[in-house]
Amino acid sequence: DIQMTQSPSSLSASVGDRVTITCRTSPSISNYLSWYQQKPGRAPKLLIYAASSLQSGVPSRFSGSGSGTDFTLTISGLQLEDFATYYCQQSYSTPRTFGQGTKVEIK
Amino acid sequence: QVQLVQSGAEVQKPGASVKVSCKASGYTFSGYDIHWVRQAPGQRLEWMGMINAAYDNTKYSQKTQGRVTISSDASATTAYMELSSLTSEDTAVYYCARGPADRRLGLDYWGQGTLVTVSS
Repeated sequence: DIQMTQSPSSLSASVGDRVTITCRTSPSISNYLSWYQQKPGRAPKLLIYAASSLQSGVPSRFSGSGSGTDFTLTISGLQLEDFATYYCQQSYSTPRTFGQGTKVEIK
Repeated sequence: QVQLVQSGAEVQKPGASVKVSCKASGYTFSGYDIHWVRQAPGQRLEWMGMINAAYDNTKYSQKTQGRVTISSDASATTAYMELSSLTSEDTAVYYCARGPADRRLGLDYWGQGTLVTVSS
């Protein structure tokens, strides 16, 4: 199985901050990586696909980068509605493993 | 608009089975895969398996393989996930999600989730 290491597991930030979450895979997965946002009691929501493509309807303050084994989700200018848990997922092979999640909390 | 509507919450006893449905609408059912993902309380998302709705090909995670069966009924545009020999560790919210044929596109639409509680 492809191993996913997501960091940090949690972070505290203020409205307006720039936030970066990383996801490392072993082995390489090219750009077969997606990012999801999940709020309590809700289904996950697709933010980024193919490592860096913004899903339709998602605000442009969300961006993704990386290829191979190292990936980043950046939120530029954190908004109140962005406080949630974020997951990466690889789609290179089955099982389609998820990272352990990053909880973004209000400082 | 694309919608995935799942069946309601279930309470089952240890050793029993549960079958969750996922009714799709607003798109061509056979043109996409349906994935099943679960989330135990306070835990990460866990991918369980998938079905190609056009060919009924399935793939499963080894963790639950042997206990999980994913199926679909194209005439009803509905996918199903059945999990047998339930234990308390299977208590979780179960989600279905749509997956385009191009794997890089991610899981773009999700059902609302079905809570399955396993308790004696």
